[in-house]
Order: sequence, then C-alpha cells, then structure tokens
Amino acid sequence: KNEVEQSPQNLTAQEGEFITINCSYSVGISALHWLQQHPGGGIVSLFMLSSGKKKHGRLIATINIQEKHSSLHITASHPRDSAVYICAVSREGGATNKLIFGTGTLLAVQP
Amino acid sequence: EPEVTQTPSHQVTQMGQEVILRCVPISNHLYFYWYRQILGQKVEFLVSFYNNEISEKSEIFDDQFSVERPDGSNFTLKIRSTKLEDSAMYFCASRTRYNSPLHFGNGTRLTVT
Repeated sequence: KNEVEQSPQNLTAQEGEFITINCSYSVGISALHWLQQHPGGGIVSLFMLSSGKKKHGRLIATINIQEKHSSLHITASHPRDSAVYICAVSREGGATNKLIFGTGTLLAVQP
Repeated sequence: EPEVTQTPSHQVTQMGQEVILRCVPISNHLYFYWYRQILGQKVEFLVSFYNNEISEKSEIFDDQFSVERPDGSNFTLKIRSTKLEDSAMYFCASRTRYNSPLHFGNGTRLTVT
C-alpha cells in the first residue's frame, strides 16, 4: 500500500474553474509538501506545511493532521496551471527528512 | 533567486558505461539529495548527504551508485556500470536545514541503450 495517495489521478477543468486535489497519507509526518512538475520535467516546490492553511496567489493548501489529509486548491484556474501536482511527505522523526512521494495528479486546464 | 543547477540536461549512454550526473546546490544549503523518476512512475528517494557523508540511502542505491561533494559546491551522482533500468530522470535537491522547503534542480534525463 502506498504511504501517500492522491486523487484524482487525472483532472480536466475549464478555465476559471475552482480545482481541488486531495492527498491522504498513512504515516506520521513532520511536514507535507505540494510540488508542481511541468511537462519538461522540472519540479517546483509550492508549499510546505505541517498545520493549518497556506495561501500563495491563487493557490491554497490545507492540512488536517488528525485525519491525515491535505488538499490543494486552485482558484480561477488558467491553462498555464496545467501540470502534474505532487503531494509528498517527510516522516516524523526521520533521520534525513527525505520525501515520500505520491503518484501525482495530472491537471489539464482548457481555455 | 538562487537555484539548484544540474548538468547535463540529457545524457545518453551505453549499458555498462559509467556516468556522472552533476549538481550545484544553492550555496548556503546543508542537506543534499538525489531522487529519480522512471518514466510514468512516481519520484523515488535515492540518497541523502549531510556533513560530508551519506546520511541515508534507499535499497535502489546499491554498490553501483556513489555520491561525492568534492569541492564544497558540486554534488555528483556516479553510476559505475549503467543498466537499462537506470534510465530515468534524476533530480538533485537541497535545503538549508532539516525541516525547510526543498529546492529541486531541473533534472538530468538519463537514457541507457
């Protein structure tokens, strides 16, 4: 069983729609990361959070530690938001704080 | 804004050859990592490096793999004798301290033929 599960695996939206991507994890964590991977392959860190909610522009990330669940929201989606969004966690008490990755959500925003 | 740089962006090599993937982490960062992503699969941890030594390695990181930080700026991953299954995108990442955001390079796509 994967320690980090994401849903949906694929998501198609129309420009302007509100988007939610979900992440569930099964281990104790020190932090959860949301990452963006563009078709060229590079990975960009969007958020790192261990409690509550963070906002950056049109992106909002929330986490519920008790339920072991996080969501990434995109408001007023735009075609340039099309990418793979990856949830990753670092285990609580881990020696090196390595990341354990989910399989990603492929988002396509159509104009 | 400082960034992690990786070279080359794409490397093609024949099975059995040695390859060295190079990374220049952000200058004040202390924790360094290599991850890889086989096409169509999720990103996997390979190795972490702190205080000039390996701090953790995965089962993937066998005797064919090694890492070095020879001069305080470069961070290299060497694969001694490449196999077809080593074909993947390899990402270098670094961070300032234990629980700070991770910064990734753009990756090196390794193709073993």
